[in-house]
Order: sequence, then C-alpha cells, then structure tokens
Amino acid sequence: SQQGEEDPQALSIQEGENATMNCSYKTSINNLQWYRQNSGRGLVHLILIRSNEREKHSGRLRVTLDTSKKSSSLLITASRAADTASYFCATDGNRDDKIIFGKGTRLHILP
Amino acid sequence: EAQVTQNPRYLITVTGKKLTVTCSQNMNHEYMSWYRQDPGLGLRQIYYSMNVEVTDKGDVPEGYKVSRKEKRNFPLILESPSPNQTSLYFCASSLFPGSSYNEQFFGPGTRLTVL
Repeated sequence: SQQGEEDPQALSIQEGENATMNCSYKTSINNLQWYRQNSGRGLVHLILIRSNEREKHSGRLRVTLDTSKKSSSLLITASRAADTASYFCATDGNRDDKIIFGKGTRLHILP
Repeated sequence: EAQVTQNPRYLITVTGKKLTVTCSQNMNHEYMSWYRQDPGLGLRQIYYSMNVEVTDKGDVPEGYKVSRKEKRNFPLILESPSPNQTSLYFCASSLFPGSSYNEQFFGPGTRLTVL
C-alpha cells in the first residue's frame, strides 16, 4: 500500500528557476519527510515536518503540509545543476511504525 | 563517522541459493528497516525493527527474513531467492519513528541480481 504519491513524476526546469513537487498521502501521520536520491545511491534526508506544523524552511528548501488535504509540497528555490536528483516523500503512520515512501519525482535541472 | 554499512554492494546469484545481506549502524539507533527499490515503484518497506528481538513486516515481506539479535545489526535473509527479487536494496536506521527525530540514515545500497 503506497502511502505517498508524488507529482509530477518528472520535472525539467532551467537552472535558476524554482522547482515545486507535491506529495499526497492517505492516512493520518505523525510527520512527513522529504529525501533526495542521486542516481542509484542511498537516500539523503532533506527535511522533516511534523503533523502540527504547516511550513518549514531549510536553506533553499521550503516544505508545506496541509493535513486537511493530506498533501505536502517541496519547493526548491534558485535551482542548481546539483539539485538534479529524485525526490521522495515519506510518511510514518500514527497507527503503526511502518514508513512509507512515494514513487518519487525525477528532477532535471537544465544548464 | 556516523553511518550505515551494507555488504555486499553487488551480488549476482542463482535461483534458490540462500543469501544474506548484512546491515550495520553505529549510531545506537532503535529503528532499522529494509527497503527494495524497483523502477516505477519507488521504495517499498520489506521489514522493520523497533529494537532488539522486535521485528515486523512492512509492505512486501514475502520471500524475506530478518533478525535483530544486536542493536547495531539487521541482516536481510533470502532463503530461496527468485528472479523477482532482483532489485536494489537499502538498509536504513533512525532513532525511533513517530518522533521529530526519525530522520532515516540510509546505507549505500546492495544491487542484487537473481538469475
């Protein structure tokens, strides 16, 4: 059962532009996290937002959470070539200890 | 250095030949987990463990076993591998889920091919 679903599946933008990715989930959560994965490598944690938070910032990253719509967005501002990667959201349900990842958004930053 | 290590990194084997992928973390984390990653399917949780001797099924546990005899180690066992278990496997650990501190640390991955 896939909890998180990101969209779009793939996104190509010019360097310097902002990139927005969305994540939807199905059940209530304790928190939601975003991860980045460079091709075939391990995932790297980017940011965690708790269920009682609505927005969080970390450097060029901005995450929002709307628990009423069961959705989150990740905004990367002033994109760079190094931001080219896949981005995943992950949720942990507050009824069990599973962690469920979405299928990811592939982001490609064009020079 | 805080890290999660997996071995082997690459493995090619044949159907039915038992194998174990090791995972170890040096951060004294409570929670450890195994995932498989397949094209178009994202990461799917196989098994997870809340602490020593406590393991639970994730979303895709069929064909896998795990054990947690020590806090730092969480091996993944394939008793009789089949070609549909060809995948990229990741081990991860975190302090504990459901908290503000459950950032997961991932190992480098094990690419398994079952012929």
